[in-house]
Amino acid sequence: NAGVTQTPKFQVLKTGQSMTLQCAQDMNHNSMYWYRQDPGMGLRLIYYSASEGTTDKGEVPNGYNVSRLNKREFSLRLESAAPSQTSVYFCASRETPPGLAALGDTQYFGPGTRLTVL
Amino acid sequence: QKEVEQNSGPLSVPEGAIASLNCTYSDRGSQSFFWYRQYSGKSPELIMFIYSNGDKEDGRFTAQLNKASQYVSLLIRDSQPSDSATYLCAVTYNQGGKLIFGQGTELSVKP
Repeated sequence: NAGVTQTPKFQVLKTGQSMTLQCAQDMNHNSMYWYRQDPGMGLRLIYYSASEGTTDKGEVPNGYNVSRLNKREFSLRLESAAPSQTSVYFCASRETPPGLAALGDTQYFGPGTRLTVL
Repeated sequence: QKEVEQNSGPLSVPEGAIASLNCTYSDRGSQSFFWYRQYSGKSPELIMFIYSNGDKEDGRFTAQLNKASQYVSLLIRDSQPSDSATYLCAVTYNQGGKLIFGQGTELSVKP
C-alpha cells in the first residue's frame, strides 16, 4: 500500500516549456487534489476532483489544467511554464464517505514535486 | 472569501514545555478542523481533527475548538525537539468539501 505517489520528485523547466505532473493513489479514494506551496503562504488549492469524471477549479487555477484519468490517477499539466509557477506541488486524496463520517475525513498527501522554472 | 489565519512564528519553546498553536477562521459555517504537521522538505501529515466544541486529546496533543469565538488551537505537552516543524491548520466548510489551509506556524523546540 503505497498511499499517494507523485512523479517526478524534482523538475527544472525553462520558461514556455510544458510538462505534466503525475499523481496516483491506491486507497480507493474518491476525491483528489492538487496544491502548490510557496514560502509563507501555506497550501493553495489549484484544482480538485470530487469524484472520477469531475474536475473543478480551486483558488489558483490559472496556467494549469488537470485530468482525472481514472479513479486512481489525477494529473496536473503546465502548458507554458512561467517563473511564477516555481513551487512545491502536492497531490492529495480523500475518501469522502457519506454522512457524518465525512466530518473526520482527512486528506492524505503525496511526497511532493519541487518545480523550478527558469 | 473564507480565511484561515495562523501566526507564522517562529514560536520557540524549551524542551518539556507546553507549545500552544492558534488558528482563527472566518466562516461560522465551518464544520471540521484539522491540524497537520509538516517537517521541512516533507509533505503534511495529519495530527488530529476536531468538529465538536471543547477539547480532544490524543497522547501529548490536545485540540481545542470554540465555535462561538471561531478559534481552534493545538496544545503540545512535554514538547520535544522532534516536534520542531510547521503546523498547518485546515478547515472544511461542508461534509466532503474542500480544505482551506492557514499559512502555518513554525515551531522550534530548543533542547
